[in-house]
Amino acid sequence: SQTIHQWPATLVQPVGSPLSLECTVEGTSNPNLYWYRQAAGRGLQLLFYSVGIGQISSEVPQNLSASRPQDRQFILSSKKLLLSDSGFYLCAWSVQAGGRTGNTIYFGEGSWLTVV
Amino acid sequence: AQSVAQPEDQVNVAEGNPLTVKCTYSVSGNPYLFWYVQYPNRGLQFLLKYITGDNLVKGSYGFEAEFNKSQTSFHLKKPSALVSDSALYFCAVSPLVSGGYNKLIFGAGTRLAVHP
Repeated sequence: SQTIHQWPATLVQPVGSPLSLECTVEGTSNPNLYWYRQAAGRGLQLLFYSVGIGQISSEVPQNLSASRPQDRQFILSSKKLLLSDSGFYLCAWSVQAGGRTGNTIYFGEGSWLTVV
Repeated sequence: AQSVAQPEDQVNVAEGNPLTVKCTYSVSGNPYLFWYVQYPNRGLQFLLKYITGDNLVKGSYGFEAEFNKSQTSFHLKKPSALVSDSALYFCAVSPLVSGGYNKLIFGAGTRLAVHP
């Protein structure tokens, strides 16, 4: 079966410091990978998605970046954090779409980031 | 524009009573519809999805959802609520895929509170 791991679970970082959140998926190959942010315990915003190694697409302009150095590894980064970067970050994966197949997106347990 | 609406910010139900969490959608073409549940400080868990076929979809933990094309709705239901069902519920729609990835558009979420 497939599993998704995301760490760290919680993080408190000062403004201007760097960020690295890591996510790995096990039990599948060549997945689509996603980073979502959830603000104020409600709405989910897609930040980045990746359909393959080194292929990153951004949904919204922001202070963050993403990388996919290996097939099942997805990293969310920032060089200098802003207060507004605080939130709950969720990594997710799905089987490659290959068209509109309605594949389910599966989420990790999330990482709480507080920028102080 | 493609969107999902969850008209109720919160739903309160007594334990043992039936529950309904409402969702309406606006999407071009035939929709793929999903329900997820989020417990406090956790990631999203997949409950069920509608792709095609029977309008009544059964999912995890005794939940089901009814697809109604004429009313563009996909309401989540359970015949008998449990206190442990208390959580945040998200409806999502998958529009036409572009770039080979699955894109989910989420509603704002509905908080379900089941009282003993």
